[in-house]
Parts: sequence; structure tokens; C-alpha cells
Amino acid sequence: AQSVTQLDSHVSVSEGTPVLLRCNYSSSYSPSLFWYVQHPNKGLQLLLKYTSAATLVKGINGFEAEFKKSETSFHLTKPSAHMSDAAEYFCVVSTNTDKLIFGTGTRLQVFP
Amino acid sequence: KAGVTQTPRYLIKTRGQQVTLSCSPISGHRSVSWYQQTPGQGLQFLFEYFSETQRNKGNFPGRFSGRQFSNSRSEMNVSTLELGDSALYLCASSFLSAGAFSSYNEQFFGPGTRLTVL
Repeated sequence: AQSVTQLDSHVSVSEGTPVLLRCNYSSSYSPSLFWYVQHPNKGLQLLLKYTSAATLVKGINGFEAEFKKSETSFHLTKPSAHMSDAAEYFCVVSTNTDKLIFGTGTRLQVFP
Repeated sequence: KAGVTQTPRYLIKTRGQQVTLSCSPISGHRSVSWYQQTPGQGLQFLFEYFSETQRNKGNFPGRFSGRQFSNSRSEMNVSTLELGDSALYLCASSFLSAGAFSSYNEQFFGPGTRLTVL
């Protein structure tokens, strides 16, 4: 069965400092992995996706993630946080039956 | 291009009632998926429709049902509402050809319908 574990429920950073949101996955086959962001009272927006092409995936708004099979990780990073990055972030894996399985989410706070 | 729209945005019902939520996908998108988001259970997959057929179903009771129309618009229905059905219900659409997997294509989410059951 496929699953994702987001290792931090909350992450706080200062504006201008790096962001690291951690995600480990479990999959019996080569997975498709995604990061979505949800701003308050808004729907989910895709940040980036990995589908077995390049292991370093670049997304929108300066985010990127690296697929590491040996560590079963897909951590999300950004070099410099902006106030507008404050939101909830979800790591997602697709299943072989074409469902999306969401992690429990990481709430990112950005302080000025 | 207009995004995914969901109506209504907010809904208050009482236990035992039923409710119908509507989702209009992005023009040209043929796959529509529904998700339930609650603080306790997080985001959970309900079902997915493609070309008016349910292709996938999550682990929800039969009180949760859906359908898709020929114009790809979708509705989900919850009968005999329970307090635990209070949630944000999200709809997502995806462009894919027949036989393709929607998870390989970006799913575009609507803003959701917030259902409160009293």
C-alpha cells in the first residue's frame, strides 16, 4: 500500500530564511509524488510533481523537491521564505488505482 | 480559462437530512474527483468520475454517492447526514484521455464546499 508521512505538523521560519518541509513515502512501486499548497479558505494548488523523470523537481514560487529513492524521501525546499508562503502544505502520493493519498499536512508560519 | 467552481460554498444542514453538492470542472476536463477534508482525518479521497462513469471509489459508506453528467459537471450526494460529515468537500478536475491515469496529470482543485451538520 502507498502512504506518505509528513514529519512536521508545524514549521516556523523567519522571512528570508530557507524552508524545509519533510516528507517520507512508502510505495511498492515507483510512485508519483506531489506537493500541494492550501492557503486559508482556498482550494489546493499544485506546487510540483515527480513522475520518474528528473529526481530534482522545480515547482512554482521558487519551491523545489528532490526524490531520493534510497531514503524514500521527497522533501520540499525553498531558499528564501516569503510572507506569502505561509500556508498548509501537503505531500501526496498516487496509487496504482489512481487515487491520491494525502499526508497530514505541514503548517508553515513565516515571521517578519 | 475559468477554474473549478463549486456550489454552494457554505451549507448548514441538520442530522438526517441529505445534501447535494455541485462541481463544474475546467472546460475540457473530463475527470472529476471528490475529496473530504476534516481536521481529524485530513484529506480523503471519495470517488472519481470520468466520462460519466465512476472509475475509483474511496472507503466511504454508501451514504456518499456521486454522478457525472455529459458536460462533465459532477454532483455528490450525502444522505442521512451525521455530525461527522461536517467537512470541507473539495472537487478537482483533470484533463486526461481515455485510459490515462488522472494522478499523472495535474488535478485542479475548486475552493470547496464547507458543510456543517448540526
